[in-house]
Amino acid sequence: QVQLQESGPGLVKPSQTLSLTCTVSGGSISSSDYYWSWIRQPAGKGLEWIGRIFPGGSTNYNPSLKSRLTISQEKSTNQFSLKLTSVTAADTAVYYCARGVGGGAVDSWGQGTLVRVSS
Amino acid sequence: DIVLTQSPLSLPVTPGEPASISCRSSQSLLRSNGYNYLDWHLQKPGQSPQLLIYLGSIRASGVPDRFRGSGSGTNFTLQISRVEAEDVGLYYCMQTLQTPHTFGQGTKLMIK
Repeated sequence: QVQLQESGPGLVKPSQTLSLTCTVSGGSISSSDYYWSWIRQPAGKGLEWIGRIFPGGSTNYNPSLKSRLTISQEKSTNQFSLKLTSVTAADTAVYYCARGVGGGAVDSWGQGTLVRVSS
Repeated sequence: DIVLTQSPLSLPVTPGEPASISCRSSQSLLRSNGYNYLDWHLQKPGQSPQLLIYLGSIRASGVPDRFRGSGSGTNFTLQISRVEAEDVGLYYCMQTLQTPHTFGQGTKLMIK
């Protein structure tokens, strides 16, 4: 059973860079059967897809975040990461990492980590 | 972007009674392979979401058979045949046909 765990600072100052890492256990991020996503949820609001990375390194980003976003992977440690630059209070949210199957459904989610953007 | 519209947004249900949630898409989610790229997720209180239904109608592993997904193209429905107390939470439809993947607004199911 795959497990995903987000980690990173819970507090980021405005205009700085938000950096999160997702550690995957029970499965390999190198498997061609899956892709790896980031999704966020502001408090009391719905879910917003941030982007994804495939094992070969190709990525898809939400156009609303693309200019500030980088998703990368580190196969040696079975982790993938999110970097979001120039953050504002609007980026305050619970951030989830998740696994997607082939080109389709997200079938496993991390527990989520709250990131607050505040001075 | 593909817009998903769920209804109702709030759904009070008596235990043992059926429930139904609609998800309408601004574009067809049917791919040439015959599959609809529409999934349903449930976010129980205080938890991360969990996959219930994928490709429109396939129950994920471990999901009780009282959950049923149906529909094609732009109209989809999640039905619960007999609601149980453990089914409370936020239900989201999600499309993975094209990026950016998008979600419906969520439907809050509560027990009467």
